[in-house]
Amino acid sequence: GAVVSQHPSWVICKSGTSVKIECRSLDFQATTMFWYRQFPKQSLMLMATSNEGSKATYEQGVEKDKFLINHASLTLSTLTVTSAHPEDSSFYICSVGTGIHEQYFGPGTRLTVT
Amino acid sequence: QKEVEQDPGPLSVPEGAIVSLNCTYSNSAFQYFMWYRQYSRKGPELLMYTYSSGNKEDGRFTAQVDKSSKYISLFIRDSQPSDSATYLCACRRGQGAQKLVFGQGTRLTINP
Repeated sequence: GAVVSQHPSWVICKSGTSVKIECRSLDFQATTMFWYRQFPKQSLMLMATSNEGSKATYEQGVEKDKFLINHASLTLSTLTVTSAHPEDSSFYICSVGTGIHEQYFGPGTRLTVT
Repeated sequence: QKEVEQDPGPLSVPEGAIVSLNCTYSNSAFQYFMWYRQYSRKGPELLMYTYSSGNKEDGRFTAQVDKSSKYISLFIRDSQPSDSATYLCACRRGQGAQKLVFGQGTRLTINP
């Protein structure tokens, strides 16, 4: 399977600032990556599908201007949370789609907005 | 109604017990079914995937899918304390559609 890393693993920021989270596919050329958000004791909710070299596809209810996704290469996708607010505090997880069957997930990034 | 329903638990069993985890789904278009294990503050790890109805076994883990009743199960035999985690079921439509729809996850604790 694909090995996926995320950076940072934990970030604290002040309300109103922007935060960038990186997702790297270390051993697989990923044309498609996914970004999820997970609130405590809840399941993963897909935010957007990131396609290399094109615009991301956002799920209904996800603000594309607030959650900026860039997939500039086959190994890197970034999620920028702009003008973060306390309600954006969550666990953000990316995954790599390897084709037919599997998605492989990164270790997640815990965002705390104060 | 959620597309994938899963009892969040928590579920607590003694070491060595057989664990049964279940999900139901409502979308008949789902053809691929996965089980992920997630430890606290970590990303999900793929355990099993099954295409259409049937059983699949991998070591102590067995996944079952019954499309007629839209019911999926994961059985863990000889459960170990290291199996303590949250287990998430996920469903996906046919080839070419990669979007996963997850259940809420069941928190499982195996007591030594």
